[in-house]
Amino acid sequence: DTGVSQDPRHKITKRGQNVTFRCDPISEHNRLYWYRQTLGQGPEFLTYFQNEAQLEKSRLLSDRFSAERPKGSFSTLEIQRTEQGDSAMYLCASSRPGLAYEQYFGPGTRLTVT
Amino acid sequence: AQKITQTQPGMFVQEKEAVTLDCTYDTSDQSYGLFWYKQPSSGEMIFLIYQGSYDEQNATEGRYSLNFQKARKSANLVISASQLGDSAMYFCAMREGGGGSNYKLTFGKGTLLTVNP
Repeated sequence: DTGVSQDPRHKITKRGQNVTFRCDPISEHNRLYWYRQTLGQGPEFLTYFQNEAQLEKSRLLSDRFSAERPKGSFSTLEIQRTEQGDSAMYLCASSRPGLAYEQYFGPGTRLTVT
Repeated sequence: AQKITQTQPGMFVQEKEAVTLDCTYDTSDQSYGLFWYKQPSSGEMIFLIYQGSYDEQNATEGRYSLNFQKARKSANLVISASQLGDSAMYFCAMREGGGGSNYKLTFGKGTLLTVNP
């Protein structure tokens, strides 16, 4: 396994701009999760996919946030009209069938909104 | 109410000694799972150990063991023979609900472990 990869690793944007992050899970992992981690806190669940279906979204995921996993492989997380409160580390994780509880995390994308 | 509570913001341990990181949880589900993750300064979350609520034996993985006390709702992580590379943030997390449902994790606020030479 090559591990979960995320791109970009760092993103600095001005308030009001749109940003998009990409996550490539471990191959053959059918479940994919997005979490957000702010400074001094543990990660908080945002949303999760099983294959291409988005099965749950947290209340943290406002209308400005959208996530997709069109072919059941990589996923994108877009934030529209960014706000300073969106500054955080965005973590992606994936898990495989049969061991769905064992989530493997990527290195994260650190977003800074100025 | 907090679902996962880690009461130790920071812990120090001497190299080669054992250390216990505390975690208590709150759930009304009968089926749940408890996890520990390590997060070095690089930021990546590294899975360490898992304990299912129906598992009778405490989970062990190498130098890591999970001291599961169901009645007390605690799931402490024990690291034996600490190494300098163990210095990191440690997060306790919980998955509620049985198999087949989603596996979203709820994390605590973490404990920063520093291993001194």
